[in-house]
Amino acid sequence: GAGVSQSPSNKVTEKGKDVELRCDPISGHTALYWYRQSLGQGLEFLIYFQGNSAPDKSGLPSDRFSAERTGGSVSTLTIQRTQQEDSAVYLCASVPPGGYSPLHFGNGTRLTVT
Amino acid sequence: TQLLEQSPQFLSIQEGENLTVYCNSSSVFSSLQWYRQEPGEGPVLLVTVVTGGEVKKLKRLTFQFGDARKDSSLHITAAQPGDTGLYLCAGRGATGTYKYIFGTGTRLKVLA
Repeated sequence: GAGVSQSPSNKVTEKGKDVELRCDPISGHTALYWYRQSLGQGLEFLIYFQGNSAPDKSGLPSDRFSAERTGGSVSTLTIQRTQQEDSAVYLCASVPPGGYSPLHFGNGTRLTVT
Repeated sequence: TQLLEQSPQFLSIQEGENLTVYCNSSSVFSSLQWYRQEPGEGPVLLVTVVTGGEVKKLKRLTFQFGDARKDSSLHITAAQPGDTGLYLCAGRGATGTYKYIFGTGTRLKVLA
């Protein structure tokens, strides 16, 4: 497809389990972002990747969260030992080259930790 | 830490009314974007403003970037039910970072 693809769309997991969320950005986009959204509110920045530069991880809430971007394309957000407060919608966005380009978002992964 | 506060948080109005949503920060941004999000979907860009004092119009929507590039507003004229959604502002830092900080969101409901 032409848009940002995220999988799975929904994930229910038990507290303490690890989860992996995947993001396939739009081809040719150089930057990739992860955000977290709780209860339909504003977006909380987690991490972004820009080309071959070191990622900005300043938004990751704890060391249980990590992300990687392989080959400058697909990205995986991993949450270890999930907690109930991790329940949220995780949104991925990619951005084409250019100074003020928009973020192109996927439809998100809704994570529920029981 | 850069924060973007939006007001109001919730707004329910009748079709045909006008409204303004505010996005405020104590930090300076190099640019500011407005997005609209519908349930089950990711946010979609409405506009980008770059220059302090800039005003952009998109049909019935008017966007303004504050002179000091710390705040912005979105004004909707003659709101329609199709305008219903979550409106989000997003600022990009002035230090050359590519990190976009999103506002707290304004949920708008326009009643027919």
